Amino acid sequence: VQLVESGGTLVQPGGSLRLSCAASGFPFSTYKMNWIRQTPGKGLEWVAEISQTNTIYYTDSVMGRFTISRDNVKSSVYLHMNILRDEDTAVYYCARRLDRIGYYYFDEWGQGTLVTVSP
Amino acid sequence: IVLTQSPATLSLSPGERATLSCWASQSLDTSLDWFQQKSGQAPRLLIYEASNRATGIPARFSGSGSGTDFTLTISSLEPEDFAVYYCQQRIEWPLTFGGGTKVEI
Repeated sequence: VQLVESGGTLVQPGGSLRLSCAASGFPFSTYKMNWIRQTPGKGLEWVAEISQTNTIYYTDSVMGRFTISRDNVKSSVYLHMNILRDEDTAVYYCARRLDRIGYYYFDEWGQGTLVTVSP
Repeated sequence: IVLTQSPATLSLSPGERATLSCWASQSLDTSLDWFQQKSGQAPRLLIYEASNRATGIPARFSGSGSGTDFTLTISSLEPEDFAVYYCQQRIEWPLTFGGGTKVEI
């Protein structure tokens, strides 16, 4: 199993960015996928989830600005980020959600990609 | 849901026992997981559903608790166990993490 994020860079406040996460080693289309970010100040913060059938959840702070999507042919999940703010500066991880009967957990994580929002 | 981890830092020696706590602002039943993070690396799942070791995790790691009080225990610290540990709840959206406990030498 491998998850490889890319797309992180320096961007100005108000700008846009698209992060990608390329998955391999497992049947991507059968898993829910998540984005989780980490900042020195706020620690780990769950950002968004997309299911196999494109049911989507977001944390409140990114609602209306970020969009999660997936391409099962390319085995990839994306995070489209608009109207970026200083507080969006973080390392962004994609994580696989493993579902069991009655519970689930994040069993695989990528190495992360750094997004820096600064003038 | 707010998760509070204690202590923020735990200073111990190899071979000693580590006891890390995670308190939730409301009941989680057993919907709590523990992760280990080493410097420059992604978090790694240690314990799921409060007390189940993830694949490949050594037996010295154990989790307990339910409701609002949870504990991660490392029975005898190995040099590679010095890291930051996070708890995470998944009973309610948005999913949230604790602030972490750093286990240092």
